Amino acid sequence: DQQVKQNSPSLSVQEGRISILNCDYTNSMFDYFLWYKKYPAEGPTFLISISSIKDKNEDGRFTVFLNKSAKHLSLHIVPSQPGDSAVYFCAASARYGGSQGNLIFGKGTKLSVKP
Amino acid sequence: AAGVIQSPRHLIKEKRETATLKCYPIPRHDTVYWYQQGPGQDPQFLISFYEKMQSDKGSIPDRFSAQQFSDYHSELNMSSLELGDSALYFCASSLGTNQFYGYTFGSGTRLTVV
Repeated sequence: DQQVKQNSPSLSVQEGRISILNCDYTNSMFDYFLWYKKYPAEGPTFLISISSIKDKNEDGRFTVFLNKSAKHLSLHIVPSQPGDSAVYFCAASARYGGSQGNLIFGKGTKLSVKP
Repeated sequence: AAGVIQSPRHLIKEKRETATLKCYPIPRHDTVYWYQQGPGQDPQFLISFYEKMQSDKGSIPDRFSAQQFSDYHSELNMSSLELGDSALYFCASSLGTNQFYGYTFGSGTRLTVV
């Protein structure tokens, strides 16, 4: 059973517009969420994270929103740039539920930003 | 800045052979994680080590074993390889568990079993 779900396998956005990537989770023990960006032939690169005690975290063009009651988080990229084109993975961890730091990943969303 | 180094980058093995994948964490990182990503799949957690001791275990087959050495590098040993073991194997390292401080992935080892 997929504990972290990214239901959109792909997303296409025009340069300069907002990209919104969504992620849902089922495990209420998850208390830390991360977004990773992955280019072909490279490992995932950390983008931004959020703890369950917050509902928003912002870093430059990237903002992550967490809705605990809906078990939903989203990554907003604004403005989107062609260099943002990559696969974005949502990941979660139950830090104090015995997971010792390992991450549960979603299947990823491939973002294409068109010039 | 130094990153997580994985070797080899690519590996081709035949069924029933063995393979050893190596991971060199970021200097001073004491925790190593191994993930397996099959074609079109999300990365799946296999196993992790903290201070040379196994700290958590995920969906790692019994045919696989791993360890972390005194210099904190880790090796994933895979025996009796099957076609389904063909995947991208990522290693990540961090400073401490449950902290995610500097949780960084390597570029992966692509294993192809033929």
